[in-house]
Amino acid sequence: QKEVEQNSGPLSVPEGAIASLNCTYSDRGSQSFFWYRQYSGKSPELIMFIYSNGDKEDGRFTAQLNKASQYVSLLIRDSQPSDSATYLCAVNRLTNAGKSTFGDGTTLTVKP
Amino acid sequence: GAVVSQHPSWVICKSGTSVKIECRSLDFQATTMFWYRQFPKQSLMLMATSNEGSKATYEQGVEKDKFLINHASLTLSTLTVTSAHPEDSSFYICSAKRGDRVFYNEQFFGPGTRLTVL
Repeated sequence: QKEVEQNSGPLSVPEGAIASLNCTYSDRGSQSFFWYRQYSGKSPELIMFIYSNGDKEDGRFTAQLNKASQYVSLLIRDSQPSDSATYLCAVNRLTNAGKSTFGDGTTLTVKP
Repeated sequence: GAVVSQHPSWVICKSGTSVKIECRSLDFQATTMFWYRQFPKQSLMLMATSNEGSKATYEQGVEKDKFLINHASLTLSTLTVTSAHPEDSSFYICSAKRGDRVFYNEQFFGPGTRLTVL
């Protein structure tokens, strides 16, 4: 079992729909959780981070964390073609020298 | 935000030569920097963790004598690929962690360096 698991996709949604990206992790000691977006041929960029159970909203993005279920998700509302990218989930624990463990990513395609 | 730069953005070299890649944090002090490699359509692979003023910590399977890492200051880390071969051709990406964000540990990525070894 991988430490951080994501559906590889591809996930395809129509423009304007809600895209839901999911991530599960195995280390119960994980303390902070991140979502990165990576366009093809580019490096990852940080979208959001969350460390408390519940929802965290930033514009069209909402991160959801459930530590009991070891589950973190990213919702993208009003999806746009420019949201088409690979989304990487990463988890971190304080004792791990600052290293984050990354999932393999979910590729999202938003169709006009 | 936090800006990380990398130089060069791309490099083509002959087999057997060495290539140095620089990673700089432009508007913050980075106590820790990370070096990743990514092959086409594959996931990020962490190569090493670089802490200012100390030796880098390499991930299992990464040859430390081939991939030399130096983190001489709080804003600069370098990766040198020594005696490069075609199989070293890849997308090399650095990231930096802000020293004042110990709990959150978010990483800010540089734009990457695409290395092609002929």
